Formats: sequence, C-alpha cells, structure tokens
Amino acid sequence: DTGVSQDPRHKITKRGQNVTFRCDPISEHNRLYWYRQTLGQGPEFLTYFQNEAQLEKSRLLSDRFSAERPKGSFSTLEIQRTEQGDSAMYLCASKRGEETQYFGPGTRLLVL
Amino acid sequence: GIQVEQSPPDLILQEGANSTLRCNFSDSVNNLQWFHQNPWGQLINLFYIPSGTKQNGRLSATTVATERYSLLYISSSQTTDSGVYFCAAPSGTYKYIFGTGTRLKVLA
Repeated sequence: DTGVSQDPRHKITKRGQNVTFRCDPISEHNRLYWYRQTLGQGPEFLTYFQNEAQLEKSRLLSDRFSAERPKGSFSTLEIQRTEQGDSAMYLCASKRGEETQYFGPGTRLLVL
Repeated sequence: GIQVEQSPPDLILQEGANSTLRCNFSDSVNNLQWFHQNPWGQLINLFYIPSGTKQNGRLSATTVATERYSLLYISSSQTTDSGVYFCAAPSGTYKYIFGTGTRLKVLA
C-alpha cells in the first residue's frame, strides 16, 4: 500500500493556459474522487469515478474542467483556459467500497 | 443537499489539555468521517464512524446519528495535533460534503 500519489505537487501557470493533473489511487481502490480546496475552506467535491465510469460531477464545475479515468486506475483532471479563480489545492482521494477515503498530498495550482 | 457545520471554528490549547470538537449535519447519514489536515496540507483520515464510539490512542469519536451530530475528543493534546480538523458526510449517492473545519493550535 503506497498511498495515493498526485503529480505535480505544485504548478504555476499563466492565465489562459491549460493544465493537467494526475492522480494514482491505492491499487485496489475502485472509487476515486477529485476535490478543490481554497484557503480557509474545506475540500469541495468536484467529481467521482467508480472504476472507469464518471458517475457524478459537481454543478460548480464549468465546461473548462474535465476528468478521466480511462482504465479504472489513474485519473487525470484537466483545466482549460485557466483563470485566476482556479488557483487552489486540487485533492484526489480513493477508497474501496464503503470504507473511508484516503487522500493524496494534493496539487497546488497558482494562476498568474 | 446536506449542510455540515463544525464548532468551534478556532481553538487554542495548552499542551496536555483535552478538547471536544463538534460536527452537526442537517440530514440523516449512513457514514461520517473525521480528518486531520496537517500544516503541510495533507489530509489524514482519523475515523470512519457512522454511529457509536471508536477510539484510537488519544483520539476518540462518537456519532449519534439519530441526533445528527458527531464529536471528536482529543485528550492530552500535543503540538503535533495542531492543524485543521474536518468532518465529512455523504450527500446523495456519491458526493461528500465537508464542514468548514476547526483550526486547532496546541501551544508548548
């Protein structure tokens, strides 16, 4: 059990650029979540995968955000045409069945 | 959707003191999770506690599902307990809602 990993850990980009983040869940976990966290707030749900199927997506997620989990293993989160308001910590979590979620270290995004 | 509120928002303790953190949720839930976010931002799961009481070392948690609240007890606090404590409850089939957290600072 190597834990949930995320890459990159930090990303600085200019407004209008596209960015992609990767999450590798714990190997036997079939459920994967993406969250966004801004300063002073709790994590905010973005999307949920069960195996390769994206079963729920937050209404707060604009069309500039897309997530995939092509083979039911790792997942990617892409943000197109980044805006300064996208600056946040992006967190990935995974779990097996009804157990608790295990979080990765997060990717901290700064949009200039 | 479900509302999750935590209290107090901020807490400062002297090392060795005990504390109780509270999480209220607006609807019935079938599970409730507690997390600790350390100063480096890593979220560490503490308890998965749909109901009843669990203990892990100096920490314990109790969820009273019928009254829609959960409590996290920290005994003999240490400086390493500092950080933000979050509770999270499910909303709908897949989504989780986190509270705004309790920011704890333990002074040496």
